[in-house]
Amino acid sequence: QKEVEQNSGPLSVPEGAIASLNCTYSDRGSQSFFWYRQYSGKSPELIMFIYSNGDKEDGRFTAQLNKASQYVSLLIRDSQPSDSATYLCAVEGSNDYKLSFGAGTTVTVRA
Amino acid sequence: GAGVSQTPSNKVTEKGKYVELRCDPISGHTALYWYRQSLGQGPEFLIYFQGTGAADDSGLPNDRFFAVRPEGSVSTLKIQRTERGDSAVYLCASSDHNEQFFGPGTRLTVL
Repeated sequence: QKEVEQNSGPLSVPEGAIASLNCTYSDRGSQSFFWYRQYSGKSPELIMFIYSNGDKEDGRFTAQLNKASQYVSLLIRDSQPSDSATYLCAVEGSNDYKLSFGAGTTVTVRA
Repeated sequence: GAGVSQTPSNKVTEKGKYVELRCDPISGHTALYWYRQSLGQGPEFLIYFQGTGAADDSGLPNDRFFAVRPEGSVSTLKIQRTERGDSAVYLCASSDHNEQFFGPGTRLTVL
C-alpha cells in the first residue's frame, strides 16, 4: 500500500465548475497536510496547508481534513483554465519533517 | 523576496560520470530538503538538513549519492558513477517552519 494515494486522473471540468480532489494516507500519526500545484515542466508550488480537522478556505480553494478517516481533499471553486495543472497531495511524517507525496491528479479546465 | 534557486537548470552527462547539483535556499531558512521526481510521479524524499547536519538521509538510494551543506546555507547534491536510472528532476526545498517551498529543479539526463 502506498503511503499517499490520490484519485486517479485526469480530471476534466468545465470552466466555472467545482473540481474535487481526494487523497488518503497511511500514517495515522501524521499531523500536517499540504496541497501543491505543479504546472507542466515546472516545480511544485504550495497552495494550501491544513493541520486541523475540518475545512480551511483560501480564496477559491478549500482544503478538508478528516484524520479519523485519514482523508484530505481539495476543492477548487469557479475553476478557471489557469487552474489546469497537476495537484500533488503531500503528508508530513508523524516522526519527521519529510513529505510523502501522492502521484498527483491532473486537472484540465475546459473553457 | 528571492525564492529557492537551483543550478544548473539542466544537466546532461554520460553514464559513469560525476555530477554536482547546487541549491541556494530562501535566506534564513534553516531546513533544506532534496527530493527526486520522475515523470508521472510525485517527488520522492532523498535527504533533509537542519542547519549544517544531515538530520535524515534515509531516502538516498545508495552510496553513490551524497549531499553536503557546510555552512548551513547552500547545499550540494553529489552523484558518483551516474547511471541511466538516475535521470530525473532533482528538487530542492527549504522551510523555516512547516511549509516547504521548492526551487525550479535540475533536470538530470544520464545518457
